Amino acid sequence: DTAVSQTPKYLVTQMGNDKSIKCEQNLGHDTMYWYKQDSKKFLKIMFSYNNKELIINETVPNRFSPKSPDKAHLNLHINSLELGDSAVYFCASSQLSTPTSGSDTQYFGPGTRLTVL
Amino acid sequence: QKEVEQDPGPLSVPEGAIVSLNCTYSNSAFQYFMWYRQYSRKGPELLMYTYSSGNKEDGRFTAQVDKSSKYISLFIRDSQPSDSATYLCAMKRYSSASKIIFGSGTRLSIRP
Repeated sequence: DTAVSQTPKYLVTQMGNDKSIKCEQNLGHDTMYWYKQDSKKFLKIMFSYNNKELIINETVPNRFSPKSPDKAHLNLHINSLELGDSAVYFCASSQLSTPTSGSDTQYFGPGTRLTVL
Repeated sequence: QKEVEQDPGPLSVPEGAIVSLNCTYSNSAFQYFMWYRQYSRKGPELLMYTYSSGNKEDGRFTAQVDKSSKYISLFIRDSQPSDSATYLCAMKRYSSASKIIFGSGTRLSIRP
């Protein structure tokens, strides 16, 4: 009965490859996110979807493309992987958040540890 | 300069000690302040949530926000080895749809 799940947990790949990470939440939340956590533990938002609509798109290389087939799933596809993409990628979800709402608790998945060789 | 600054530690204290974790920030538009706890190889989990200035207590944890100084704190009383984790402060603007800015985290170790 995992709330936010991600696959795979570990991903080791060569530079230049294309890979995908999948995320699913069973909390009934409307909003989902992708975060990147670097080796210094700095956690930075990449994308956010609300009901399959992109609402946050930070300055991320266009090699990264999120896809939300439905509001329970948010996948992340990465093209032409680079060494600097090595990090832990976290998916999160929260209840519907409007521009004036504040108290949206975000529930994080266990993370996907990506290593690019 | 980062929007949110947090001492990375590591911070090591004996069991039972009072722990004080802090963050400073530069953007006065932040209204919502959070503390997340992250165990090794796990995702962050929300620990405390406060709105604007003031204190909030939950069991052994107290969160303080001083907006005039742009300074937030998390106090842990009677610290336990199970409190050993990385603590991330986080904050967001009232008008921003869900975008949370995180500090870089403080690694805390409680010695038995």
